[in-house]
Amino acid sequence: DAKTTQPNSMESNEEEPVHLPCNHSTISGTDYIHWYRQLPSQGPEYVIHGLTSNVNNRMASLAIAEDRKSSTLILHRATLRDAAVYYCIQRGTFGSQGNLIFGKGTKLSVKP
Amino acid sequence: NAGVMQNPRHLVRRRGQEARLRCSPVKGHSHVYWYRQLPEEGLKFMVYLQKENIIDESGMPKERFSAEFPKEGPSILRIQQVVRGDSAAYFCASSPRRDRNTGELFFGEGSRLTVL
Repeated sequence: DAKTTQPNSMESNEEEPVHLPCNHSTISGTDYIHWYRQLPSQGPEYVIHGLTSNVNNRMASLAIAEDRKSSTLILHRATLRDAAVYYCIQRGTFGSQGNLIFGKGTKLSVKP
Repeated sequence: NAGVMQNPRHLVRRRGQEARLRCSPVKGHSHVYWYRQLPEEGLKFMVYLQKENIIDESGMPKERFSAEFPKEGPSILRIQQVVRGDSAAYFCASSPRRDRNTGELFFGEGSRLTVL
């Protein structure tokens, strides 16, 4: 079962920033936080991942709380193409904990 | 570079028939994962394979389902005697290594199975 909790849905306006929260209160010291997204009728695609420090890439930023029990995916300027289901995944190290276990994710709607 | 290629993209089978789904990983990737997504639900892990070995099949139904990743050729997910409940999208993913830090998974576009 997924170890993270996310809101079922969120709405955003085009060209505004979006903050997608995720709780992972059972995270261990060696678990990474991964984010994937799934556009309609497509396979998931990698967005970003991190361990302790905040991370930035061309798609998004990941802000991880100091106690690591929560994190926030930040899309700096939402576009219509960003409408998707966003999955926050706590990924362990050994055995089956290394599998990506998807929860229900957050369905992001972007209004023009 | 070609990404993960899955075929067929759409497959229709009648109850009791067999379904074979193929997955060609990204060139050079030796780790393959299969996931199933039922309509309006999230992705469920099924099986993780390396070349010629099943590493983790904890998400695979015990009966009718099997997976392989031979030394040569694509990975195959085989479903025998399909039932209507098998109707779903089946996604394959590959990665060059199994590292929680750098092991990004690359997903295919999926194979959509419809059982009549």
